[in-house]
Amino acid sequence: GENVEQHPSTLSVQEGDSAVIKCTYSDSASNYFPWYKQELGKRPQLIIDIRSNVGEKKDQRIAVTLNKTAKHFSLHITETQPEDSAVYFCAASTGSQGNLIFGKGTKLSVKP
Amino acid sequence: GAVVSQHPSRVICKSGTSVKIECRSLDFQATTMFWYRQFPKQSLMLMATSNEGSKATYEQGVEKDKFLINHASLTLSTLTVTSAHPEDSSFYICSARKDSLNYGYTFGSGTRLTVV
Repeated sequence: GENVEQHPSTLSVQEGDSAVIKCTYSDSASNYFPWYKQELGKRPQLIIDIRSNVGEKKDQRIAVTLNKTAKHFSLHITETQPEDSAVYFCAASTGSQGNLIFGKGTKLSVKP
Repeated sequence: GAVVSQHPSRVICKSGTSVKIECRSLDFQATTMFWYRQFPKQSLMLMATSNEGSKATYEQGVEKDKFLINHASLTLSTLTVTSAHPEDSSFYICSARKDSLNYGYTFGSGTRLTVV
């Protein structure tokens, strides 16, 4: 089955700096890669996603890149703000079975 | 947009009793629903996948007789934790997907289960 590795587990940045979180996946059949932000005790919130037919996607301060050959994808947050502080999860799934498998998460702290 | 309602949000039960958690898709028909468990400071671990009208597919290590999943309609899936023990205390979250061509996964608000 799919295995998703996520790094780093914790990340601390100064307000205004950029933050990068990286994930790798094992199943070459995976074709959908969402990123979620989760606050304590809340449901995961989708912040951006990318499909395997696209190499990069951007939404304001957030961008995701995908390298299918290397089977890794990354989340980039620019101009970080204190409210960006949360736990971020990457995930991967295949279209057929559709199981969404999560990475272990990254706790991002943005210091004012 | 797609909305998934999950109840209860919190439940405390005694060891040995059973607890049922409901997951409803409010404005779409969910052909597939997923159940996750999340321990404190850990990731969401997939427990099982359920398709309407068929038996759930459980992930390795998840006891199907302990975690009963029923997906009797296109809008409702239930997870019953049977003979609950303190180690079952966790955050349980469901997710629903409209169809195999729709990549969107909609999450419920989660259920905090505490077994005392």
